[in-house]
Amino acid sequence: ETGVTQSPTHLIKTRGQQVTLRCSSQSGHNTVSWYQQALGQGPQFIFQYYREEENGRGNFPPRFSGLQFPNYSSELNVNALELDDSALYLCASSLAGALSYNEQFFGPGTRLTVL
Amino acid sequence: QQQVKQSPQSLIVQKGGISIINCAYENTAFDYFPWYQQFPGKGPALLIAIRPDVSEKKEGRFTISFNKSAKQFSLHIMDSQPGDSATYFCAASRSSGNTPLVFGKGTRLSVIA
Repeated sequence: ETGVTQSPTHLIKTRGQQVTLRCSSQSGHNTVSWYQQALGQGPQFIFQYYREEENGRGNFPPRFSGLQFPNYSSELNVNALELDDSALYLCASSLAGALSYNEQFFGPGTRLTVL
Repeated sequence: QQQVKQSPQSLIVQKGGISIINCAYENTAFDYFPWYQQFPGKGPALLIAIRPDVSEKKEGRFTISFNKSAKQFSLHIMDSQPGDSATYFCAASRSSGNTPLVFGKGTRLSVIA
C-alpha cells in the first residue's frame, strides 16, 4: 500500500504567475482534499474532490481550482499568484463510506514561495 | 462556529513527563476529533482520533480525553520522549460524508532530556 505523494517538493514562482501542484492518493482512497498551511498555522481547507467533482470549498477565491482524475490523483492550480499564497500546500486522501470516519491521510506537501 | 481553539501555543516538558494539549470547539455538529503530529518539513501524520460516544481513548502513550458538555478535548502524552518533539494539531469535523477538517493553530512541543 502506497501513501499519499505530492510533487514537486518545492517551488518558487513570481507574483502573477500560475502554478500546478500534483497529488497521488493513497491506494484504495477515492477522495482528495487540499489544504493550505501558512507558516506557524494549522492547515486551512481549500477544497475537496470526490468522483472527479468538487465536493466542498473553503474560503478561497476562484483563482484556486482543481481537478481529480479517474485514478483519483489530483491537481491544484493557482492563477495570478500573490505573495500571500506562499505556504505549504497539503493534499489529503480519504475513503468516503459509512465506516470511514473521515480519516484523512496527508502527503508531505509542496512548499510554494511567491516572490 | 467553525473555530477550533488550541492551547498552549508551545510546551516544554522534561523527558519522562506528561505533555497535555487542550482544544475547544464550537460547532456541536462535529463528532470526529483527530490529532495530528507534524515534524518540520513533513506533512501532518494522523496520531489518534476519538468520536464522542466515548470519553477517553488510549493508544500506547497517547490518550485523548473528551468532554462533550464542555466541547473540549485534550491530548495527553505519557512518558514524553525527545522523539515526541514536534508540532501537534487538533482538528474537528463531522464523521459522516466527506467533510473538511477544521484545525487548531498547533502546539509546538519540545521534550528535553
